[in-house]
Amino acid sequence: DGGITQSPKYLFRKEGQNVTLSCEQNLNHDAMYWYRQDPGQGLRLIYYSQIVNDFQKGDIAEGYSVSREKKESFPLTVTSAQKNPTAFYLCASSIALSNTGELFFGEGSRLTVL
Amino acid sequence: DQQVKQNSPSLSVQEGRISILNCDYTNSMFDYFLWYKKYPAEGPTFLISISSIKDKNEDGRFTVFLNKSAKHLSLHIVPSQPGDSAVYFCAASGADNAGNMLTFGGGTRLMVKP
Repeated sequence: DGGITQSPKYLFRKEGQNVTLSCEQNLNHDAMYWYRQDPGQGLRLIYYSQIVNDFQKGDIAEGYSVSREKKESFPLTVTSAQKNPTAFYLCASSIALSNTGELFFGEGSRLTVL
Repeated sequence: DQQVKQNSPSLSVQEGRISILNCDYTNSMFDYFLWYKKYPAEGPTFLISISSIKDKNEDGRFTVFLNKSAKHLSLHIVPSQPGDSAVYFCAASGADNAGNMLTFGGGTRLMVKP
């Protein structure tokens, strides 16, 4: 089945630790994205990538880093510099970077900082 | 400054009746609008979209209406079913959004009672 796989589904982290969230897609999509969802708020864009080895900051990139070494993979690292990392993180992909294309989302990863 | 707003955080409707979810936007450059549906602990899934050249788009029980002068769109679900119970996100993109950088509203939780 084609789709987007995020792991882990739940993750607990101690303050001061970096953590990496995995996102893999087998849809052969060029563009990939990371969003963050907080209660009562819409999804906010963290980073996006339209092609391998290229990525751009979204609206709330501070405290996060990404890489795009392979077309299928777009991992997100939540660093200790992120002041409020507890949230639900969603990875998405689309065929290409266009403003009328549908985004396909993974099931999300819930990060809790203890 | 929220450019896309869903002012009703929740809505409760009886099965078989119409559900109307509303969304307002402020950015006049938005020209493409989408609705996503999200179940708990899952990623959002695309539901329906509309381009600014149209004022209505219908897909089965789901119809989206766009009022450009009022910068308002709404999603109608008729008839509502218990399986429609989910959080619905309105999203917008436009000429000033590079690619698929959707701006999301905060979501409306729809509860359809049997």
